[in-house]
Amino acid sequence: ETGVTQSPTHLIKTRGQQVTLRCSSQSGHNTVSWYQQALGQGPQFIFQYYREEENGRGNFPPRFSGLQFPNYSSELNVNALELDDSALYLCASVDRATVGTEAFFGQGTRLTVV
Amino acid sequence: QKEVEQNSGPLSVPEGAIASLNCTYSDRGSQSFFWYRQYSGKSPELIMFIYSNGDKEDGRFTAQLNKASQYVSLLIRDSQPSDSATYLCAVRYNFGNEKLTFGTGTRLTIIP
Repeated sequence: ETGVTQSPTHLIKTRGQQVTLRCSSQSGHNTVSWYQQALGQGPQFIFQYYREEENGRGNFPPRFSGLQFPNYSSELNVNALELDDSALYLCASVDRATVGTEAFFGQGTRLTVV
Repeated sequence: QKEVEQNSGPLSVPEGAIASLNCTYSDRGSQSFFWYRQYSGKSPELIMFIYSNGDKEDGRFTAQLNKASQYVSLLIRDSQPSDSATYLCAVRYNFGNEKLTFGTGTRLTIIP
């Protein structure tokens, strides 16, 4: 049990729709990162939030956006869903004040776009 | 392009034997290295991290890091059927950036 919780656990959306995924970070962890894991692949970094600001972004289009709240929880929003967005979306939280800290993942949200 | 490479497997190991998983990375400036275990349909579970050259042991698991050769390995002693999973290697390039770059994972099967 990592202390990182994600919701919902499963989601089915139609192509073109919008989706919001949520993540509550582990207590004391002020940085949240989002990853997309397609079937058979390793997780791919989407972006990271620190103190409510985006602090690094991977190779994902602008229709992937996010927010971080004062309590360090975070949202991932995806607009204009495409079939290839079907994946496991993972949230990880890190305590940046601790050198070498581990990255703990939540249980993930399985998104299926039909 | 900063890359992390793993043999995709599958790797089959008899129960009780040592399973050896390898990972190479391209960026010499990499600082921290992580091994995750992922069961089918589940999220990755952190097994170990290492950031100094040498070995780090935790129970049946040993991580080995060789920065000069740019590889990191994970040894699983006394392999159990419950160790059957996909093992992901991840690299963090510096302490100021928590982005992890993952390999594609190695599928490990422990044969009873």
